[in-house]
Amino acid sequence: DGGITQSPKYLFRKEGQNVTLSCEQNLNHDAMYWYRQDPGQGLRLIYYSQIVNDFQKGDIAEGYSVSREKKESFPLTVTSAQKNPTAFYLCASSSRQALAKNIQYFGAGTRLSVL
Amino acid sequence: AQSVSQHNHHVILSEAASLELGCNYSYGGTVNLFWYVQYPGQHLQLLLKYFSGDPLVKGIKGFEAEFIKSKFSFNLRKPSVQWSDTAEYFCAVNSAGTASKLTFGTGTRLQVTL
Repeated sequence: DGGITQSPKYLFRKEGQNVTLSCEQNLNHDAMYWYRQDPGQGLRLIYYSQIVNDFQKGDIAEGYSVSREKKESFPLTVTSAQKNPTAFYLCASSSRQALAKNIQYFGAGTRLSVL
Repeated sequence: AQSVSQHNHHVILSEAASLELGCNYSYGGTVNLFWYVQYPGQHLQLLLKYFSGDPLVKGIKGFEAEFIKSKFSFNLRKPSVQWSDTAEYFCAVNSAGTASKLTFGTGTRLQVTL
């Protein structure tokens, strides 16, 4: 069953703690993305990666870090430098063939809360 | 920088009413336009898209959208909504020929009552 898997579904972070959100896809897509969704603000791009071992900052990258060591995996770390991490995080991917058209496919999301 | 405006934040309609959700974008070049939908508890999914050609595009579940270049608009329409259309709708845009920089609007929450 092809798709994008995000885990965990719910995550809690203590103050000063780094947490990592997982995103795995088996669609053989080259590009992957991380968005943050807040009520009334839509989706905002955090980081994206078009190929393995390469990634670029999006509009709100501060306080986040990513890696792209494998084509199918694009984990996002929310660092202690992110002052307002409580949000719904969405991972997406798109294929090289559709890249210019940017049809993105989304995971189910991870809801992060700060304790 | 690109931006997308969705002026309707929360819309409440009765079943069988007609729907039009506004979407305006700011970008001077050629764009690709999208509407995504997020049903309660489900993944964000593509509803319809416009790349080029006929400015009236049809998507899934009876939705359509019209690209009006002179107005920088891409409004979503449906002649008769159903209770199952209750969801959040997002308009998105990117520059044609560039990768990855998909800009989303703030979303419109549609509530359809029986």
